[in-house]
Amino acid sequence: QSALTQPASVSGSPGQSITISCTGTSSDVGGYNYVSWYQQHPGKVPKLMIYDVTNRPSGVSNRFSGSKSGNTASLTISGLQAEDEADYYCSSYTSSSTVVFGGGTKVTVL
Amino acid sequence: EVQLVESGGDLVQPGRSLRLSCTVSGFTFGDYAMSWVRQAPGKGLEWVSFIRTKAYGGTTEYAASVKGRFIISRDDSKSIAYLQMNSLKTEDTAVYYCSRIIPGTTSFDPWGQGTLVTVSS
Repeated sequence: QSALTQPASVSGSPGQSITISCTGTSSDVGGYNYVSWYQQHPGKVPKLMIYDVTNRPSGVSNRFSGSKSGNTASLTISGLQAEDEADYYCSSYTSSSTVVFGGGTKVTVL
Repeated sequence: EVQLVESGGDLVQPGRSLRLSCTVSGFTFGDYAMSWVRQAPGKGLEWVSFIRTKAYGGTTEYAASVKGRFIISRDDSKSIAYLQMNSLKTEDTAVYYCSRIIPGTTSFDPWGQGTLVTVSS
C-alpha cells in the first residue's frame, strides 16, 4: 500500500486560509469516508483534528475543516494562527482493511 | 481522564525480539479497538497494526512492512495492548505510539506519549 500524497509544505500569513491536499486512490481515499487528519507539533504527540472526512472532535477549533472530492481529501485551516504551525498528516482506511498515512505536510505561518 | 502509556522500548540488535505494552486508564478498554503507529526519527507517521474488540472477534490487521514479524494482542482484564516484535530490522527503529480507535471509524484518538525502539548492532 503506497503512502497517500501530500505536499511537503504549505505556508500562509496570519489570518489567511490554507488548504492541504491528500491524494490517494479509489482503494483508499476515494473508496471510503474514513479520512482523518492529525496535527503534530515538533517533539509532541499527534493530535486528531478531523475524522471521517469532515468531523471535528470535541475541542478542536472550527477553523479546521475537512472535505473530499474523488480520490483527494483536503484540510482547510481558516484564520491561520501562529499556533497552527506544525506538521499535518492525513490517513485513510484501505480496501485491504489496513490504514495508510500521507507523507506529511509542514505548515509554516509567515 | 483517558490515558495511554507505552513501555518496553529499548535498544536491541537486529534479529532480536521486543515486546511493547500500552497500559490504558480512564475508559473501558474492552469497548475499543486499539492500534500501534510508529514514527522513524525525522520521518512521518506509519501505521503498524490494529486489533478489534472481542465483540468483533479480536481480529488483527498489519502493515505489509511488519506482517509475519509483529503480533498485536490485548488483555482486556488488564487493560493492556501489546505489540510483540520479532526478527527486528534496523528500519524498525522508531517511536512507537499506541492509540485508541474511535468506534465506527479508523481514527486514532488519543495517542500515548510513545516509546523508542532502536534496532542497531
